[in-house]
Amino acid sequence: EAGVVQSPRYKIIEKKQPVAFWCNPISGHNTLYWYRQNLGQGPELLIRYENEEAVDDSQLPKDRFSAERLKGVDSTLKIQPAELGDSAVYLCASSLDRRTQNIQYFGAGTRLSVL
Amino acid sequence: DQQVKQNSPSLSVQEGRISILNCDYTNSMFDYFLWYKKYPAEGPTFLISISSIKDKNEDGRFTVFLNKSAKHLSLHIVPSQPGDSAVYFCAAMNRDDKIIFGKGTRLHILP
Repeated sequence: EAGVVQSPRYKIIEKKQPVAFWCNPISGHNTLYWYRQNLGQGPELLIRYENEEAVDDSQLPKDRFSAERLKGVDSTLKIQPAELGDSAVYLCASSLDRRTQNIQYFGAGTRLSVL
Repeated sequence: DQQVKQNSPSLSVQEGRISILNCDYTNSMFDYFLWYKKYPAEGPTFLISISSIKDKNEDGRFTVFLNKSAKHLSLHIVPSQPGDSAVYFCAAMNRDDKIIFGKGTRLHILP
């Protein structure tokens, strides 16, 4: 069974440019998460989806970040415009159902470098 | 304010010995705890978890201990193997299902 798939693996952009990340969760997983991991830190939640509904976006910087999961399957995370401080690894994770044992399965991440 | 603390950034252990990774938390509302393992250029992978109603959970070479009164948990790996060299993240969940990760501990298994 395929795991969580993220693309691209790496992205280098100049500041003020837009960037988008894509995530395809494990088939059948209703819950999808986007995390940001800065160097030397643990992952920090940006947004959580239950199917197509964003149920927790309290940590998402809404002035420049947006996300969507239109059909409740794959998801995109966008930054526009990117700033130097956005350089990080962006991780996507999915879980079967948050009401059951909530084990999250992570993708390999997208490493973003903003120059 | 860090709610999940892993105070040791790194740990070196001889192959075959026991590795003990520690984690402290501050929020008494956390009721589920997890350990994740991460290799370079890969996402974290789930290792083992424990509910707050238990004080120990074992899975093969991995055992997690929970001391609720001290708000402390630890991961024991015995015997340690070269493939255990990785970054280990402690994570905690509250009833809102929000998961908070620690900063991680890098484990080096020495030959």
